[in-house]
Amino acid sequence: DQQVKQNSPSLSVQEGRISILNCDYTNSMFDYFLWYKKYPAEGPTFLISISSIKDKNEDGRFTVFLNKSAKHLSLHIVPSQPGDSAVYFCAATSNDYKLSFGAGTTVTVRA
Amino acid sequence: KAGVTQTPRYLIKTRGQQVTLSCSPISGHRSVSWYQQTPGQGLQFLFEYFSETQRNKGNFPGRFSGRQFSNSRSEMNVSTLELGDSALYLCASSPRGANQPQHFGDGTRLSIL
Repeated sequence: DQQVKQNSPSLSVQEGRISILNCDYTNSMFDYFLWYKKYPAEGPTFLISISSIKDKNEDGRFTVFLNKSAKHLSLHIVPSQPGDSAVYFCAATSNDYKLSFGAGTTVTVRA
Repeated sequence: KAGVTQTPRYLIKTRGQQVTLSCSPISGHRSVSWYQQTPGQGLQFLFEYFSETQRNKGNFPGRFSGRQFSNSRSEMNVSTLELGDSALYLCASSPRGANQPQHFGDGTRLSIL
């Protein structure tokens, strides 16, 4: 039972433009959300997170928005750079030491 | 600071065999989690260990087991291997638990013939 869903398997964006990645969840107990980035042949690396008490968190070019009523979060990357081409995973937890991941979105940034 | 180290990087086994994967967390990290990644399925949580105790486990059969040693190093064992066990197995560590940013190793690619 997939509790975290990333419905767009892939996203192509031009360099310098905005990338918007979406994530939906079904478990209302989730209270902490994270985004990870993964390059081929490497493990995922932590990108940014947000607690359920907030609706926005920003870190440089990366901003995560949380809409609890819609059980939806999104990651904005502005401006997109070639090095951003990777697989992005959304993850969520309810403080039970278990992290649930989405299936990932492959981002390709075109020059 | 050394990152999370997983060994071996690649492994080929046949059906029915068993396998043990190893994970050395970042020094000082007491929580180690294991995940299975297959195409289209994202990362599926296997289990989480903290101070040698399993605190949570995912929906995997009993053939999947793990343990953590007093130095926080962890091992994962899969017995009676099946073709569907072919996957990338990732280990992640953090100071206190899976519900905070984790540092991942590069994984062990397990192929079952």
